[in-house]
Amino acid sequence: EIVLTQSPGTLSLSPGERATLSCRASQSVSSSYLAWYQQKPGQAPRLLIYGASSRATGIPDRFSGSGSGTDFTLTISRLEPEDFAVYYCQQYGSSPAITFGQGTRLEIK
Amino acid sequence: EVQLVQSGAEVKKPGESLRISCKGSGYSFTSYWISWVRQMPGKGLEWMGRIDPSDSYTNYSPSFQGHVTISADKSISTAYLQWSSLKASDTAMYYCARGDDRFDYWGQGTLVTVSS
Repeated sequence: EIVLTQSPGTLSLSPGERATLSCRASQSVSSSYLAWYQQKPGQAPRLLIYGASSRATGIPDRFSGSGSGTDFTLTISRLEPEDFAVYYCQQYGSSPAITFGQGTRLEIK
Repeated sequence: EVQLVQSGAEVKKPGESLRISCKGSGYSFTSYWISWVRQMPGKGLEWMGRIDPSDSYTNYSPSFQGHVTISADKSISTAYLQWSSLKASDTAMYYCARGDDRFDYWGQGTLVTVSS
């Protein structure tokens, strides 16, 4: 099973700042089968990025993903108030054993 | 509009059985797998398993194999997650999601509380 470790656990930033979230895999994620989700309190997760760098339908272009192999990054270029949430990475390269990271909480500073 | 609508919250006692549901609409239900994801209180996301509604073929996470059963009835575009004997540790929010690898649409979640 591929273990995903996200860092930092909590990120405190202000609206307008740039956010960089990291996801490291215990072994290489094949074909960059890495996704990112956003979850707000009381809501279901929402798909942001898939294939490491492709934005899902309707996702603003301030969200971008990058990386390959074992190191992946989600970047939010300029934080909007609605971006403060918990973010999860997920790998689906070692199907059927899909795994998620433990999450990064992005909070308002 | 693609929608996954889940059944309502449940309160059960340890040892009881339970089946929760996820009804898809707005798309061809048999063209996409349905996965189930657990979120324990205050915790992260855990993939439980998935089903291909076209033939009911299933895959399970090793962590959940043997503890839950995933099924589907394609005639009514509904997937199910069931337990034969609940434990207190099954208390969680359960989400269904469309997809076998990445999940582009999610249900609203079903809260299952198991308490004596």
